[in-house]
Amino acid sequence: QSALTQPPSASGSPGQSVTISCSATSNDVDVYKYVSWYRQHPDKAPKLLIYDVSKRPSGVPDRFSGSTSGNTASLTVSGLQAEDEADYYCSSYAGGNNLSVFGTGTKVTVL
Amino acid sequence: EVQMVQSGAEVKEPGESLKISCEASGYRFTTHWIAWVRQMPGKGLEWMGMIYPDDSGTRYSPSFQGQITISADKSVSTAYLQWSSLKASDTAMYYCARRFPIGSGWNFDYWGQGTLVTVSS
Repeated sequence: QSALTQPPSASGSPGQSVTISCSATSNDVDVYKYVSWYRQHPDKAPKLLIYDVSKRPSGVPDRFSGSTSGNTASLTVSGLQAEDEADYYCSSYAGGNNLSVFGTGTKVTVL
Repeated sequence: EVQMVQSGAEVKEPGESLKISCEASGYRFTTHWIAWVRQMPGKGLEWMGMIYPDDSGTRYSPSFQGQITISADKSVSTAYLQWSSLKASDTAMYYCARRFPIGSGWNFDYWGQGTLVTVSS
């Protein structure tokens, strides 16, 4: 069963872009078919930003984009805003009975 | 408007039992999976398991199998998470979330506000 590893922190200035990576420990290719991304502000519930690697739910701005390359999934936040300062989690199918697993989380700081 | 409203904070002693709730509204309760997610203090998100309210089918994370029970009552559009014997390590914020009905993966679009469970002697 896969675990998802993210860098602990990332940062950027307002208006810039930041990219967060998410790598699986297993070689299960299905892991990268179902990657989703969430943003969580302190003491708030997570919010779904991206599903199925690169799709955005209705209402999520196109500043948020997702992709995969090789064994890594990525979330790019363009045009950083103060409200983007938060924790970001990737998520995917983990194999076997582990239908869902979250990444280790990345704290994004807007400088 | 879809809403997931969770029960209030709980303070319990080790060994006690507990059942917390998540009342859904604004959509057809029976046809959307509902998941429970744990977040320990200062830590990340952990998927615990989920239930399909129409037939009460459940799936549990291997990490939580046998430690918790997830149930649902269709008559009141409410999902539950329960423990028979709490441990101090169960201290955490617990979220319920509805499975996003679009797409292929297990994604969650509407979340409850969270229930803080504190287990301490």
